[in-house]
Amino acid sequence: GEEVAQTPKHLVRGEGQKAKLYCAPIKGHSYVFWYQQVLKNEFKFLISFQNENVFDETGMPKERFSAKCLPNSPCSLEIQATKLEDSAVYFCASSQRGRVGANVLTFGAGSRLTVL
Amino acid sequence: DQQVKQNSPSLSVQEGRISILNCDYTNSMFDYFLWYKKYPAEGPTFLISISSIKDKNEDGRFTVFLNKSAKHLSLHIVPSQPGDSAVYFCAARGGISSGSARQLTFGSGTQLTVLP
Repeated sequence: GEEVAQTPKHLVRGEGQKAKLYCAPIKGHSYVFWYQQVLKNEFKFLISFQNENVFDETGMPKERFSAKCLPNSPCSLEIQATKLEDSAVYFCASSQRGRVGANVLTFGAGSRLTVL
Repeated sequence: DQQVKQNSPSLSVQEGRISILNCDYTNSMFDYFLWYKKYPAEGPTFLISISSIKDKNEDGRFTVFLNKSAKHLSLHIVPSQPGDSAVYFCAARGGISSGSARQLTFGSGTQLTVLP
């Protein structure tokens, strides 16, 4: 499709429960990014993929966060044993391959995670 | 350490006048700068970009200026319209040699309100 599709729009979890978010990038885009936005503030980079391979995971809290982009499946971001501070909007973005130009990221509408 | 800073959380402008949004950065390795616009409950949408080798880029009512020596960029919107009311995020991309060439680093955003 021509838009980045994120599901669910809103997810509520009790502290300690698992949360899993999904992202379908734009067809033909080779790069997928996950960002976390807490309290409408700046976007924190979590992880990026080039096709199904992790490209950069320097932003991931590795103890509880994991992500995958498998062929013919939506990408996913999973949080094991959620904590209150994981409450945020998680944005997925995709971009085309190639190093020419600004390589604009196209964002989805976000998934709001609320941890109670 | 915030590498991209937007020091004004909010800005109000009268319809028809110029809106000027500012952004400062610290990393001289950034090779592209982008502006995104965000409405509530939506993902950021790309507005305009500028390469680090340019000092100005114009697209309709939107112009971005880059001052590399001051590590400062600004977005000018003229004339401003009520539909421009949104949060504007400045973002920067690391250069190829930076190792994380694909991701964007975002500022904390400026809420622009255009008054009719």
